[in-house]
Amino acid sequence: GAGVSQSPSNKVTEKGKDVELRCDPISGHTALYWYRQSLGQGLEFLIYFQGNSAPDKSGLPSDRFSAERTGGSVSTLTIQRTQQEDSAVYLCASSLDGTGTGYTFGSGTRLTVV
Amino acid sequence: SQQGEEDPQALSIQEGENATMNCSYKTSINNLQWYRQNSGRGLVHLILIRSNEREKHSGRLRVTLDTSKKSSSLLITASRAADTASYFCATAQGGSEKLVFGKGTKLTVNP
Repeated sequence: GAGVSQSPSNKVTEKGKDVELRCDPISGHTALYWYRQSLGQGLEFLIYFQGNSAPDKSGLPSDRFSAERTGGSVSTLTIQRTQQEDSAVYLCASSLDGTGTGYTFGSGTRLTVV
Repeated sequence: SQQGEEDPQALSIQEGENATMNCSYKTSINNLQWYRQNSGRGLVHLILIRSNEREKHSGRLRVTLDTSKKSSSLLITASRAADTASYFCATAQGGSEKLVFGKGTKLTVNP
C-alpha cells in the first residue's frame, strides 16, 4: 500500500482481556518496528523484524506481549491479560531494508484498558 | 533506555521567528534522525544526518551534528503556525538499526 496501515485506530478493552493490533507495512519494506508511546512521553521500542532474521524482542516489557510477522509482511502485536498500564498509543513503522534510512510510521492504535 | 534527550521540552515562539531544538545522546551512532508528530499519532520523518556529516539542509530545516559533543540541533527558519507539533530526535546506534527516540520538544508557533 501507499503507507503503513494500522488497525484498529482505537481500541477500548476491559482489564484482563487479550487484544491484537495489526500493522500492514509498505509493500517491499523488509524492516518492521513496533513502538509504544504513553501520554506525553517519547517512543518506547518494543520489537523489530528484519527480513527472515530472528526478531529483536529486547523491548517487550513482559511475557504478556508478543508479536509475529507472517510472510514478511503483516505483523500482529498481541497483548494478553491487558493491564491499565498497557494503555498507550502503539505505533508501527517500516523501512526499506533496515539500514538506517528513515522510518515510515502508521497512525497508531490508541489502546485504552478500563 | 533513553538515548536522545531533547532540549527544551517546550518552546513557544511567534510566527516568522526561528525555532531551535537540541538533542543530546550518549553512545556512538550510525545516524541521527528528526521526526515530527502532530496530535500524538504517527510520526513523520523530516531529515537524516549520518555520523560523518556535520550539517544538512532541507527546505526551512537545518540540522547540525557534533559527534564530539554527542549533540545535534534542528533549526526551523521563518516558522509558521503549521509547524506547531512535537519534534523528536532518534538515533541508530552502532550495530543496530532500531531507532531510539527522545521525549521530544513540543513547539508552539503563535500566529
